[in-house]
Amino acid sequence: AQSVAQPEDQVNVAEGNPLTVKCTYSVSGNPYLFWYVQYPNRGLQFLLKYITGDNLVKGSYGFEAEFNKSQTSFHLKKPSALVSDSALYFCAVRDINRDDKIIFGKGTRLHILP
Amino acid sequence: EPEVTQTPSHQVTQMGQEVILRCVPISNHLYFYWYRQILGQKVEFLVSFYNNEISEKSEIFDDQFSVERPDGSNFTLKIRSTKLEDSAMYFCASSDGQINSGNTIYFGEGSWLTVV
Repeated sequence: AQSVAQPEDQVNVAEGNPLTVKCTYSVSGNPYLFWYVQYPNRGLQFLLKYITGDNLVKGSYGFEAEFNKSQTSFHLKKPSALVSDSALYFCAVRDINRDDKIIFGKGTRLHILP
Repeated sequence: EPEVTQTPSHQVTQMGQEVILRCVPISNHLYFYWYRQILGQKVEFLVSFYNNEISEKSEIFDDQFSVERPDGSNFTLKIRSTKLEDSAMYFCASSDGQINSGNTIYFGEGSWLTVV
């Protein structure tokens, strides 16, 4: 079955430092991978996705993610964290058995320290 | 930028009551979804809807749940007889094509349902 794992419940980063939020996937076939962010009391906002092509994907708010097939990972990164990046981040993968469904990881809470 | 909008943002209901959560998907989108997130837990798929019928539903989506697209713009989730364990944030979402074609699902702000 398709799944994504987010090994960290929480990540703390000092403002201005680079940040990484980890995601690994388990998929048979070509993975379509997504990152979403949930700010406090808000909905899920799409950040970026990997479908095919360049392994480094750029998204909203200065975020990027690197698809690594050998390590089955799709870590979310940003070169310089902002306090406003503090939120809950979800990695997701398409369900290859369905054309129209994605499966979410459990989420990682990112806390940027001023 | 087009958005998925949901109402109400928060609803408190008594156990056993019927609840209808409403959503207006992005206007040119064809695929519609409901997901839910119980407090502190992961976001779970409930149902997908395309061409006026359910495409897929999860085991959570039992006979107490139903979806409807009553007109050209709204997409509703009905819970017929709410239980305490239905308390969750319910997210509506839409996409303009299939995920397998590289399309993206866009989510609304959510409707927070509290069953007491």
